[in-house]
Amino acid sequence: KQEVTQIPAALSVPEGENLVLNCSFTDSAIYNLQWFRQDPGKGLTSLLLIQSSQREQTSGRLNASLDKSSGRSTLYIAASQPGDSATYLCAVNSNSGYALNFGKGTSLLVTP
Amino acid sequence: SQTIHQWPATLVQPVGSPLSLECTVEGTSNPNLYWYRQAAGRGLQLLFYSVGIGQISSEVPQNLSASRPQDRQFILSSKKLLLSDSGFYLCAWSSFGQGELAFFGQGTRLTVV
Repeated sequence: KQEVTQIPAALSVPEGENLVLNCSFTDSAIYNLQWFRQDPGKGLTSLLLIQSSQREQTSGRLNASLDKSSGRSTLYIAASQPGDSATYLCAVNSNSGYALNFGKGTSLLVTP
Repeated sequence: SQTIHQWPATLVQPVGSPLSLECTVEGTSNPNLYWYRQAAGRGLQLLFYSVGIGQISSEVPQNLSASRPQDRQFILSSKKLLLSDSGFYLCAWSSFGQGELAFFGQGTRLTVV
């Protein structure tokens, strides 16, 4: 069974810092990996989707990498802002049409 | 563009009462549909998924059931709620044509009292 782990569980940084969130998974046979953002009491917003054949995806200040062989993904946030404060979730899709396996998330607080 | 609607946003129900949560998707056809639950301090747990009308797969045994009466409608139900059914319920959809990019609804906060 695929297990997804996210480190750290919580992170507090001052505004302007670059930061890295980590995600690891136990089964490297994946279909894709997604990073989501969740604000308190809200649904999930998709940030980046990396297909198994890709090594990274970028959107604005966000960059996600994927190393399938080692079972790792990182989410890099450049020049963090208070508005980036949220919980970030990593999820692995093991096959098309199947559901995502989620990590427990990293709670990020960016202080002004 | 595609949108996903989930309602109600919040719900307080007594133990033993029935439950019906509805989710509809617009702007796509034959989506894969999912129900997840997020309990306090825990990750998202998949409850049900469906790859077509009338096709429901359950990931964990529980007090809940799901139905897909129409292509873009997914319903989560219970005949008698338990206290342990409290949580944040999220509906989601994905499609092979979009690389299985998953889109989530805004969730329903269910409190069983």
